[in-house]
Amino acid sequence: NAGVTQTPKFRVLKTGQSMTLLCAQDMNHEYMYWYRQDPGMGLRLIHYSVGEGTTAKGEVPDGYNVSRLKKQNFLLGLESAAPSQTSVYFCASSSDRAQPQHFGDGTRLSIL
Amino acid sequence: SQQGEEDPQALSIQEGENATMNCSYKTSINNLQWYRQNSGRGLVHLILIRSNEREKHSGRLRVTLDTSKKSSSLLITASRAADTASYFCATDASFQKLVFGTGTRLLVSP
Repeated sequence: NAGVTQTPKFRVLKTGQSMTLLCAQDMNHEYMYWYRQDPGMGLRLIHYSVGEGTTAKGEVPDGYNVSRLKKQNFLLGLESAAPSQTSVYFCASSSDRAQPQHFGDGTRLSIL
Repeated sequence: SQQGEEDPQALSIQEGENATMNCSYKTSINNLQWYRQNSGRGLVHLILIRSNEREKHSGRLRVTLDTSKKSSSLLITASRAADTASYFCATDASFQKLVFGTGTRLLVSP
């Protein structure tokens, strides 16, 4: 039982490059979330989804896009990476908005 | 903006001692959750306390909630080196979203 799996685990990009982070969950959860974690800032919500085909903006959505074409997958895209997007990105899922969230182990992204 | 703020930011204790960390928040909540994060890993859910509950236990963990003071505390009894981690509170205040605090870094020395 893998839970929430994030790929890749590490990535280095140059400014202006694009990439997609993949999150997959095997718990049949409706809700999925993307967060970024920066030192001293805690976790900040980027985008979230309440079901297949739906997405919504979180606290810090600028510079990111997401898609939820399949219930088990939630993709986070950076169209033109900027150094300010250097961070650790976490994906999470939950069965309901009030239920505990299950987290992946993160993607460490550096943008030079 | 952060809803929950943990205090202290860092805590260093010896094995066997109790560790207490606090969380304060700003608006009315539906529930409050505590999570643990080991270095280099994702967050792991520890305990959820609803707004109509005042205390909850899970093993060596005890969580209290005081909605009149908008605060919660997490007590870890008889700490172990394996409890070394960062601990975050998260508040469920608005529809569909949890808001996380900045965390307390706990170091338990053998």
